[in-house]
Amino acid sequence: GAVVSQHPSRVICKSGTSVKIECRSLDFQATTMFWYRQFPKQSLMLMATSNEGSKATYEQGVEKDKFLINHASLTLSTLTVTSAHPEDSSFYICSAILADPVHEQYFGPGTRLTVT
Amino acid sequence: AQSVTQLDSQVPVFEEAPVELRCNYSSSVSVYLFWYVQYPNQGLQLLLKYLSGSTLVESINGFEAEFNKSQTSFHLRKPSVHISDTAEYFCAVSPFSGGYQKVTFGTGTKLQVIP
Repeated sequence: GAVVSQHPSRVICKSGTSVKIECRSLDFQATTMFWYRQFPKQSLMLMATSNEGSKATYEQGVEKDKFLINHASLTLSTLTVTSAHPEDSSFYICSAILADPVHEQYFGPGTRLTVT
Repeated sequence: AQSVTQLDSQVPVFEEAPVELRCNYSSSVSVYLFWYVQYPNQGLQLLLKYLSGSTLVESINGFEAEFNKSQTSFHLRKPSVHISDTAEYFCAVSPFSGGYQKVTFGTGTKLQVIP
């Protein structure tokens, strides 16, 4: 099946610094990837849709200047949390879809971000 | 717009006992239905899906779910659970469409299998 990886799996950073999370589709090309945030005891919240070669589409309430998304190739999307604050601490998960079947998402293993 | 309700946030069950995790949805259009499983500190894995055809769908590890259109439900069942089934389970829907549509997730149900 399709495999999506994320790096790093865990990251701890100091308040005010920026951190980059990578999402890669290992055995397929993904024109569209998604970034989710998951709070404890809650479901996944879609943050943005990342399209290769174009600007990401952000969900309402998500700060595009704080969460920078770059989808530079068909196998890589990055999420950069800029000027991180403790409230940005969360579990970030990416996913990608195949061209067919287009309705099925493949999820990465997630990245646990802790901002101190 | 779609919404998904998983009324049970936690379900404890003894090993080898049956379990049902409930999922109800609301949508003004036809939908695809999914169950995802999440193990601790991991991403989501697709467990099973309903697209069309037979309303009863099965996974490779013994779970099954039945689409009930009249009750707008897609409950997940397993006749005999194992310790390894301990995880969080998410029900999800997306509108039926020729192209990709956003997926709406429920709030999840933690299944705790007790030895």
